[in-house]
Order: sequence, then structure tokens, then C-alpha cells
Amino acid sequence: GAVVSQHPSRVICKSGTSVKIECRSLDFQATTMFWYRQFPKQSLMLMATSNEGSKATYEQGVEKDKFLINHASLTLSTLTVTSAHPEDSSFYICSAIIQGAGTEAFFGQGTRLTVV
Amino acid sequence: GNSVTQMEGPVTLSEEAFLTINCTYTATGYPSLFWYVQYPGEGLQLLLKATKADDKGSNKGFEATYRKETTSFHLEKGSVQVSDSAVYFCALNYNFNKFYFGSGTKLNVKP
Repeated sequence: GAVVSQHPSRVICKSGTSVKIECRSLDFQATTMFWYRQFPKQSLMLMATSNEGSKATYEQGVEKDKFLINHASLTLSTLTVTSAHPEDSSFYICSAIIQGAGTEAFFGQGTRLTVV
Repeated sequence: GNSVTQMEGPVTLSEEAFLTINCTYTATGYPSLFWYVQYPGEGLQLLLKATKADDKGSNKGFEATYRKETTSFHLEKGSVQVSDSAVYFCALNYNFNKFYFGSGTKLNVKP
């Protein structure tokens, strides 16, 4: 099946620094990608919908200036956590969909971000 | 609004035991329902899905039936294996846009 690769799988950064997470669709073109985050013992919550060549659509309560999303090509979307704080520590996961007959969603392996 | 509630884990079973992971949902309209599985160090993989009421999704011995009257989509397997140890997520979706996930249930299967 289709593969979505997310990098890095784990990252530790200092407060105040920025971290970039990449999400790539390896063998298909993804016009739309989704970014989720998960706090311990909670659901994955959608942060934003990333559309190739246009601005991302953020969910209510998600700071767009803090979580910068860029979808510059049909195979790559990036999430940058700017000026990270310990409360940003979380599990971030991306998803891409292939639309058409039998539309299906594919997920990356996730990124564990720890801000110290 | 839309939401998914699934039983908290971890669930610990012996090999060949019967598995049930409960999942209930709140939704407007007629969503599709999914179970995703995440093995250690890997991404979420689609385990099974059902797109309308009374549909039964099945894969690798796992089954779940879309019950509209009880708004449930419980995951079952008759005989679990050590290799089934993973985190299982119940989710709902409309037209493959936004997913609403449960919190995940970790399954540990002991030999």
C-alpha cells in the first residue's frame, strides 16, 4: 500500500527553539495532508489541513503563528513548531489521502516531541 | 458534535484469549467507522472499516460491526496472538476529510 514517511520519529529540543517535522508521501501525490497531535491518554486531535500550494486551514484553538505548516509540493508537507515550550511536548502525526474509488487515508509513524 | 470514546487500556491478555475493545461514537449524519492499529515504531495502519449501518468490517481475524442503534463499533478477535500487541484506535470520518479518533487502547498479549 501507499507509504507516508514522517521524520524525525523523536526529537528533543530546548525551550524557545524551533523544530521542523517533515511528512512525505513516498509513492503517491497528496494534494491534502492532515496534521494531528496527541496528548498522553487523549485522542489524536486534528490541528490543521494542509493543501498543496495554498495556506493551511487550522482548527479552532490552534495557533497558526506557532504551528507553521508548509505544503510546497505534492509529496511534502512540513510542520514547524516555533518558539517551542514544554507544553508543546506531544505526539504529532501526519496523514495523507488518496482520493478516488476506494479513498483511503495513510498515516505517518508520528513524531514524539519533547521540549525541555 | 462528533466524538469517539473507546475503552482505556492497557488491556492484557494471554495468547488465544478472546478480545473485545469497546468503541462508541457521537456523530451527526452517517459517518464511516474505522479501526486503525499502530505497532511499535510504526504509523497508523488501517485494520478495518465499515461505511454504513450493519456493515461488518473484518481483517486478520478482527471484526467490528457498525451498530447505529447503539452507536457502537466494537472490535473483536476470537483468538489473539502475541503479534497483535499494539495500540488500537477507533475513528470516524466523513468523506475522508477530518478524522475523529478515540484515545487509543494498548493491547498487550502475553505468550
